[in-house]
Amino acid sequence: QQQVKQSPQSLIVQKGGISIINCAYENTAFDYFPWYQQFPGKGPALLIAIRPDVSEKKEGRFTISFNKSAKQFSLLIMESPPGDSATYFCAASMMTAGGTSYGKLTFGQGTILTVHP
Amino acid sequence: DGGITQSPKYLFRKEGQNVTLSCEQNLNHDAMYWYRQDPGQGLRLIYYSQIVNDFQKGDIAEGYSVSREKKESFPLTVTSAQKNPTAFYLCASQDGWELFFGSGTQLSVL
Repeated sequence: QQQVKQSPQSLIVQKGGISIINCAYENTAFDYFPWYQQFPGKGPALLIAIRPDVSEKKEGRFTISFNKSAKQFSLLIMESPPGDSATYFCAASMMTAGGTSYGKLTFGQGTILTVHP
Repeated sequence: DGGITQSPKYLFRKEGQNVTLSCEQNLNHDAMYWYRQDPGQGLRLIYYSQIVNDFQKGDIAEGYSVSREKKESFPLTVTSAQKNPTAFYLCASQDGWELFFGSGTQLSVL
């Protein structure tokens, strides 16, 4: 019930292309859904995040769509330059649970995005 | 510069040996985490600490140990009981709902 399933494992797009990465979860107590971006040899960095009280959040070229009833959320990346080539992780957490659950992120398996010039 | 510093960047372990990975932060964050990253498996939580002198097991704590004697430091020891230690290890601290990660330590077995 703690799992977050992410797909696809890898994605190849041309410069200027669009990417969609999907995640699904089981635990309805999750209330915070971030996406992290990781470049080779580096730690992940927060890209964008959403709470379940909204269905969509956009920041620049990145948009999260959230479907509470389906327990799914997606990352849309628009007009990618080659610099977007990285691994993208979705995650989920019970941020309002308090106690020892607070802040523990459960990560998806990751999607390796390659943007060809 | 504020941030999370992990050292060493690369570490090699001999069979039967314990090794310790360092994690230091100067962000004044209370909570710190250790994750293990394997190809195709995402990040899995090893241990976490929400306050000095207290820590909790994560999902894959067997074969690992930690200490949290200072707010700034959260070292991870990979013991000889961890039979498959080869992985990329990531330390993080937390501010609000955001995790800040270090650049990781790649541990390999000789």
